[in-house]
Amino acid sequence: AQTVTQSQPEMSVQEAETVTLSCTYDTSESDYYLFWYKQPPSRQMILVIRQEAYKQQNATENRFSVNFQKAAKSFSLKISDSQLGDAAMYFCALTTYGGSQGNLIFGKGTKLSVKP
Amino acid sequence: DTGVSQDPRHKITKRGQNVTFRCDPISEHNRLYWYRQTLGQGPEFLTYFQNEAQLEKSRLLSDRFSAERPKGSFSTLEIQRTEQGDSAMYLCASSLGTGQADTQYFGPGTRLTVL
Repeated sequence: AQTVTQSQPEMSVQEAETVTLSCTYDTSESDYYLFWYKQPPSRQMILVIRQEAYKQQNATENRFSVNFQKAAKSFSLKISDSQLGDAAMYFCALTTYGGSQGNLIFGKGTKLSVKP
Repeated sequence: DTGVSQDPRHKITKRGQNVTFRCDPISEHNRLYWYRQTLGQGPEFLTYFQNEAQLEKSRLLSDRFSAERPKGSFSTLEIQRTEQGDSAMYLCASSLGTGQADTQYFGPGTRLTVL
């Protein structure tokens, strides 16, 4: 069975500062993909960043980057130069391509607050 | 590209009633997923379609739940004899279906409250 664990229910960051959200996962599959999704209050979930497990290079998207530690099964998200609009629930998610057909397995989420 | 849409956005019903939700995916997307999200939790997979074929169902999808995607375009999720435990946000997502781990684009969700 695949699991995703986010151990930080809530995090807070000062505007313009950097924050790191943690995620660990477990899967026996060798071929899998990891995602961070953002869910702003009362708005739909959007993809922030994705990482293919076979790629050693950490993914980056503008102010967002990941630290992918495959051996440790860790996948943290770093947000640089935090903005007020970054305040949201952040979900780490995993998908494998065994029999799961790409269904996402989500963690419980981390609520990020950004202080002006 | 108008994105994934869901209707209704909110539904309040009494226990025992049937409800039906609709999801319109992004037009060229072949794959369509339904998830359920309860308060304080991440979304949980319910079921998945490749075009009109329902290829996988979660154990969460009891026999009171049924989903269809009759022409490979929009999908409906019906819950019969609703229970208070069905109260949740029901999310729909779609993806192109051209390869592994296509990005899933989510709709705004339908929030169901069962009284």
